[in-house]
Amino acid sequence: DSGVTQTPKHLITATGQRVTLRCSPRSGDLSVYWYQQSLDQGLQFLIQYYNGEERAKGNILERFSAQQFPDLHSELNLSSLELGDSALYFCASSVASGTSYGYTFGSGTRLTVV
Amino acid sequence: AQSVTQLDSQVPVFEEAPVELRCNYSSSVSVYLFWYVQYPNQGLQLLLKYLSGSTLVESINGFEAEFNKSQTSFHLRKPSVHISDTAEYFCAVRRNSGNTPLVFGKGTRLSVIA
Repeated sequence: DSGVTQTPKHLITATGQRVTLRCSPRSGDLSVYWYQQSLDQGLQFLIQYYNGEERAKGNILERFSAQQFPDLHSELNLSSLELGDSALYFCASSVASGTSYGYTFGSGTRLTVV
Repeated sequence: AQSVTQLDSQVPVFEEAPVELRCNYSSSVSVYLFWYVQYPNQGLQLLLKYLSGSTLVESINGFEAEFNKSQTSFHLRKPSVHISDTAEYFCAVRRNSGNTPLVFGKGTRLSVIA
């Protein structure tokens, strides 16, 4: 157990629907990162939050949004889902926002859009 | 911006044989380098990292990687692999200042054959 908890582990939904993925960071970690892993694109950075504030944005679609709450858990919202959104979504956390800190990854949420 | 190229998508190797997983990076600024391992149905785990100092870094399970600035490489090696080393290995890079997320390569699937 890495200490980063992601729920749900699996999600199957239809095109056009909206889902919310949840991440609880490791105790003491203030930074949360979201990544999308697909076979063709590999691991793509989506967005980072640090202590409730957005810190960096990557290749995140406008249909996707995220937030980090006062208790530091984070949610990734995916709307108007398309077949191509099917992927593994990982959350990672780190102590701070600095560059030398390693990330601790959760076990991911596998999203299947049918 | 930083980028990572993992030259081999799949590497099959017999048990107890040596292995090298290749990683090249591109960056106009100084970077930190990481190797992560992903076992089936799990999240990514940090294997080792280069931040500064000695260019040869080691992990607790026998892997090592050498930072070569002139060749912009960070290849991962192990002198004798075990069946349990079968996994996906990801090389990652981030700049060594400011707040930038990890950029991952597309991964190399290591298959150890008995």
